[in-house]
Amino acid sequence: QVTLKESGPVLVKPTETLTLTCTVSGFSLSNARMGVSWIRQPPGKALEWLAHIFSNDEKSYSTSLKSRLTISKDTSKSQVVLTMTNMDPVDTATYYCARIRVTAMIDYWGQGTLVTVSS
Amino acid sequence: SYELTQPPSVSVSPGQTARITCSGDALPKKYPYWYQQKSGQAPVLVIYEDSKRPSGIPERFSGSSSGTMATLTISGAQVEDEADYYCYSTDSSGNPLFGGGTKLTVL
Repeated sequence: QVTLKESGPVLVKPTETLTLTCTVSGFSLSNARMGVSWIRQPPGKALEWLAHIFSNDEKSYSTSLKSRLTISKDTSKSQVVLTMTNMDPVDTATYYCARIRVTAMIDYWGQGTLVTVSS
Repeated sequence: SYELTQPPSVSVSPGQTARITCSGDALPKKYPYWYQQKSGQAPVLVIYEDSKRPSGIPERFSGSSSGTMATLTISGAQVEDEADYYCYSTDSSGNPLFGGGTKLTVL
């Protein structure tokens, strides 16, 4: 059974750095055909893809947020970490991690974690 | 920048056919996918690679594409199908993106 679970702070202050962790089970981060994506959704708004990482450490970032994002993985811990610098209230959103295949299909999602940016 | 364009809302009566469109210049070369998101829940994949249905998704959900437009069709929409629907694909460089979402109302 494939599961993904996001963890991290629920509240961050403006200008701070957000660090989110995705812990996966039911598949391995060393699987050549699969990776992990981060996607966010501001309240009442659309989904926005942020970044993904594959087993060979290939990484890709949203063009608009690339300068603020870093994605990494610890295969032994089955964890993928996303950091986002210089947080702003407009970054308030539910952040999801999800499994992505090399075909780009996103097939399993975590439950999401709401991050609020406020002083 | 590349975009996937969806209508903001679609409304049908129970039992009618709902069609949600998604337009994008790269769709002739890149597969579209469709996700259903009910209020307060994570998205669920309902159609992948244009027209394939994952296990457990009712047969009333189908997908098709023609040129730069993909369509999600719900034949005989049910009240429980009321949700936001997002198309998803990649741009010419392979970067993923989502459409703006369509709110389906069934009443």
